[in-house]
Amino acid sequence: AQKITQTQPGMFVQEKEAVTLDCTYDTSDPSYGLFWYKQPSSGEMIFLIYQGSYDQQNATEGRYSLNFQKARKSANLVISASQLGDSAMYFCAMREGDNAGNMLTFGGGTRLMVKP
Amino acid sequence: EAGVAQSPRYKIIEKRQSVAFWCNPISGHATLYWYQQILGQGPKLLIQFQNNGVVDDSQLPKDRFSAERLKGVDSTLKIQPAKLEDSAVYLCASSYPDRGGTEAFFGQGTRLTVV
Repeated sequence: AQKITQTQPGMFVQEKEAVTLDCTYDTSDPSYGLFWYKQPSSGEMIFLIYQGSYDQQNATEGRYSLNFQKARKSANLVISASQLGDSAMYFCAMREGDNAGNMLTFGGGTRLMVKP
Repeated sequence: EAGVAQSPRYKIIEKRQSVAFWCNPISGHATLYWYQQILGQGPKLLIQFQNNGVVDDSQLPKDRFSAERLKGVDSTLKIQPAKLEDSAVYLCASSYPDRGGTEAFFGQGTRLTVV
């Protein structure tokens, strides 16, 4: 079974509008972390936001917020006020267990295209 | 703070040739990962080191891929002999495992094309 599922291969959003990128995960470990990364066409993976499984509040980082619904095992990324520079691939990833050195498992990604 | 350094950025080789990639992680990061990212897919872990020891290499095709991190700092990933399906971006990442929740930092990757 897929551990991380991103069901939207591609998304369009109008500049200055908000957009939600979906991510669902599967784990039986009570301790885990969820990450979102951005990958522009240049190829580097840029860390955006992190949510721990025991965190009570949804994570926020500037224009990025994570809509964490633990019972539904979803960790959607919300980008507010989209900018042209947000056009990129976005990957959801999960680390299972307490060890912060454990591997990240990635989803298949969502390509976001921001329209001017 | 310097980021994760990888070289070369691009490499084109013929099938059955060998190739090596180099990675220098962020200073002080004990954990180093090599990921393979095939076009249109998410990264897939090939091997993970903790200092100079292997933590996980279950997805490394050991008949042709090898990796080492001799002094617990920089690392090399080798493919010998290469196949057409090895065409991908090879990403190196590092993290500081003693801090809970810390993210992995990625290099810019090496784009390998096997022809």
